[in-house]
Amino acid sequence: ELKVEQNPLFLSMQEGKNYTIYCNYSTTSDRLYWYRQDPGKSLESLFVLLSNGAVKQEGRLMASLDTKARLSTLHITAAVHDLSATYFCAVPEDYGNKLVFGAGTILRVKS
Amino acid sequence: SQTIHQWPATLVQPVGSPLSLECTVEGTSNPNLYWYRQAAGRGLQLLFYSVGIGQISSEVPQNLSASRPQDRQFILSSKKLLLSDSGFYLCAWSGLAVYNEQFFGPGTRLTVL
Repeated sequence: ELKVEQNPLFLSMQEGKNYTIYCNYSTTSDRLYWYRQDPGKSLESLFVLLSNGAVKQEGRLMASLDTKARLSTLHITAAVHDLSATYFCAVPEDYGNKLVFGAGTILRVKS
Repeated sequence: SQTIHQWPATLVQPVGSPLSLECTVEGTSNPNLYWYRQAAGRGLQLLFYSVGIGQISSEVPQNLSASRPQDRQFILSSKKLLLSDSGFYLCAWSGLAVYNEQFFGPGTRLTVL
């Protein structure tokens, strides 16, 4: 059974600081997805990582995938308040249509 | 471009009442469709998914059911709601052309009293 673990589950950080969210998964996969959820809202797709060594960047967020280590990271550079949200990683189960989501990381950026 | 709609946006229902939530997708054909539930402060739980009309896979045994009467319509139902059915219900779609990336609808917030 595929398990997806994120850490930390809660992250409070000061504006301007850097930090990394980690996503580990238990079985082989060649893809990984990152989503953002604002309070009371739906999920918004952030990154699709499709191969080992894939790196995607959007603004202050950068995501990477190491399929051999079964690890993805979401790096936050010089955090700003607008990045406050919950971030989920998700991995396909058995290379199929279903995604297994991590528990989510609640990020709070303080001024 | 593709869009996904859910309604209603908010619903308050008494325990024991029926439920019908609707999800429709525009701008694509033969999508995979998914129903998720998110309890307050928790992660996403996959309830049902469908790869075609009339084809429904259930992930969690419960008092909910799903139907797909048309290619781009997915319905979540219950005959009798329980308190534990409260939550944020999200519909999502995916297609082969986008590496199974799932795109989520705006959600329905259900409160069972």
